[in-house]
Amino acid sequence: KNEVEQSPQNLTAQEGEFITINCSYSVGISALHWLQQHPGGGIVSLFMLSSGKKKHGRLIATINIQEKHSSLHITASHPRDSAVYICAVRRGTDKLIFGTGTRLQVFP
Amino acid sequence: DSGVTQTPKHLITATGQRVTLRCSPRSGDLSVYWYQQSLDQGLQFLIQYYNGEERAKGNILERFSAQQFPDLHSELNLSSLELGDSALYFCASSTTTDTQYFGPGTRLTVL
Repeated sequence: KNEVEQSPQNLTAQEGEFITINCSYSVGISALHWLQQHPGGGIVSLFMLSSGKKKHGRLIATINIQEKHSSLHITASHPRDSAVYICAVRRGTDKLIFGTGTRLQVFP
Repeated sequence: DSGVTQTPKHLITATGQRVTLRCSPRSGDLSVYWYQQSLDQGLQFLIQYYNGEERAKGNILERFSAQQFPDLHSELNLSSLELGDSALYFCASSTTTDTQYFGPGTRLTVL
């Protein structure tokens, strides 16, 4: 079993839909990261969370440390949101352990 | 643009060869991380350097080595290459244990 599990693996949505991607982990962590990988391969860091909730534009990330669970929400989804979203947990000082990613496709 | 640069963008080589991947971190970032992304294994942490010193080691093969130079750029050396080493290799940098900024990656193809 992977230490970091994401669901769903693949997600298709119509433009405007509200999207949720989930991440569960089984190890103690110091922080959790949400990353976005574009079709061209580039990786962008979206959020780093150690508790509570963060919001940036149409993106919202939440984390529940007790339940070892985080969610990434996208409101009013748009085709340009199509990407792979990767959850990663930080153990100790710096080592990141990655989930396998959620491939999102948003159609107009 | 994250401010992290990686060269080369693409590299095609043969089995048994040795290659060097280069990474320049964002200005002021002391930490450099190397990651490998292969089709079957996803993203994996390889190694981290902080201000020239090795700080953390992940799933890095003995055939692979890295270093960080006084100007803070880093190199990842891959030797005795095998077909399975074909992957995207990312470098990331950070100031502290906060957000990591990823470079565009080097796509390595071993034939």
